[in-house]
Amino acid sequence: EDQVTQSPEALRLQEGESSSLNCSYTVSGLRGLFWYRQDPGKGPEFLFTLYSAGEEKEKERLKATLTKKESFLHITAPKPEDSATYLCAVQRGPGTYKYIFGTGTRLKVLA
Amino acid sequence: NAGVTQTPKFQVLKTGQSMTLQCAQDMNHNSMYWYRQDPGMGLRLIYYSASEGTTDKGEVPNGYNVSRLNKREFSLRLESAAPSQTSVYFCASSEANRARDQPQHFGDGTRLSIL
Repeated sequence: EDQVTQSPEALRLQEGESSSLNCSYTVSGLRGLFWYRQDPGKGPEFLFTLYSAGEEKEKERLKATLTKKESFLHITAPKPEDSATYLCAVQRGPGTYKYIFGTGTRLKVLA
Repeated sequence: NAGVTQTPKFQVLKTGQSMTLQCAQDMNHNSMYWYRQDPGMGLRLIYYSASEGTTDKGEVPNGYNVSRLNKREFSLRLESAAPSQTSVYFCASSEANRARDQPQHFGDGTRLSIL
């Protein structure tokens, strides 16, 4: 069964305390894994796409990596403005247009 | 630079009432989607439109209908609202690319309560 699981469900960090969020997936023929950030009362905002194992993408304090079974979102020296829910998603299969979203990790960064 | 625009932002309905949620995108994307987001369940696909003139069911289509009015607009209709349809509804759009999956871009949602 196609599945996306994110861990932890919630994470509290002190400002400057680096950590990683996990997204594990089981889907055949992965053609892209997506990371989004969602702020309260807003829609998900696209962050990264990863297409193949070993690929890495960076944006400011965020770095996303991909293996054959999971992806990590590394947050280096986070700031309070990084507080949000982080979602990952994959497509169920080529050409299906049906994306599976994880339930997200709620990140809180304390000043 | 609007991206994906959803209207209304909030709505309260009584059981049995009908309403249409509107969505428009200005990114010239071929594909559009409707999701609902409920606590602890993540985003679930209701319907999608791979391209203008086509629509297909997602995971949770029961109780909903959609119309792809043109390339820009994709509406979601609740014919007879039920309390179980209380949720936050998101519209999204993406480019069509047969070789690689493309990211979706989301609107800010419609918060719908059904009493």
